[in-house]
Amino acid sequence: DGGITQSPKYLFRKEGQNVTLSCEQNLNHDAMYWYRQDPGQGLRLIYYSQIVNDFQKGDIAEGYSVSREKKESFPLTVTSAQKNPTAFYLCASKDSSATGVIEAFFGQGTRLTVV
Amino acid sequence: KQEVTQIPAALSVPEGENLVLNCSFTDSAIYNLQWFRQDPGKGLTSLLLIQSSQREQTSGRLNASLDKSSGRSTLYIAASQPGDSATYLCASMEYGNKLVFGAGTILRVKS
Repeated sequence: DGGITQSPKYLFRKEGQNVTLSCEQNLNHDAMYWYRQDPGQGLRLIYYSQIVNDFQKGDIAEGYSVSREKKESFPLTVTSAQKNPTAFYLCASKDSSATGVIEAFFGQGTRLTVV
Repeated sequence: KQEVTQIPAALSVPEGENLVLNCSFTDSAIYNLQWFRQDPGKGLTSLLLIQSSQREQTSGRLNASLDKSSGRSTLYIAASQPGDSATYLCASMEYGNKLVFGAGTILRVKS
């Protein structure tokens, strides 16, 4: 099955701890994205990567870090510098077909809670 | 900076009604516009994608239109069913491939 897999589904973080959220895709997409979703708000862009070994900050990158060593993988680390990390995190990848249709696909999300 | 607004924020209708969800965006220089569905605690499922050169797209009971000049898109759901209850999100894709989302419309269809 082709798709985007996020793990874990639920994650608990203690104060001062770094945690890493996994995102893997087998769609052969070049671009990958991380979004944060808070109740009653739309998705906000944290980081995105359009090609291996390259990534850019989104609108709310402070307290987060990413890497893109492989095309299939785009892990997100929530560092201790992120003061309010409790949220639902969504990973996406983007298709860029020869026909010019660019469609985004999303994983099932990781719910992160600070305990 | 692109801003996307969705109206209404929430909608409750009886089963069988036809309904319209609205999405507006401030910058008309978009590559495409995509409508998504999100069930509670789940990821996003793509419903319809409208290229900037297109006016509308249809899939089953769903029809989405796009008017770039006025910065508006609508999602029309015909003969609504309880299974349509979810949050509906629209997102504009900018050149440079960033998706900008609205806050969503929470739809409840009562049986």
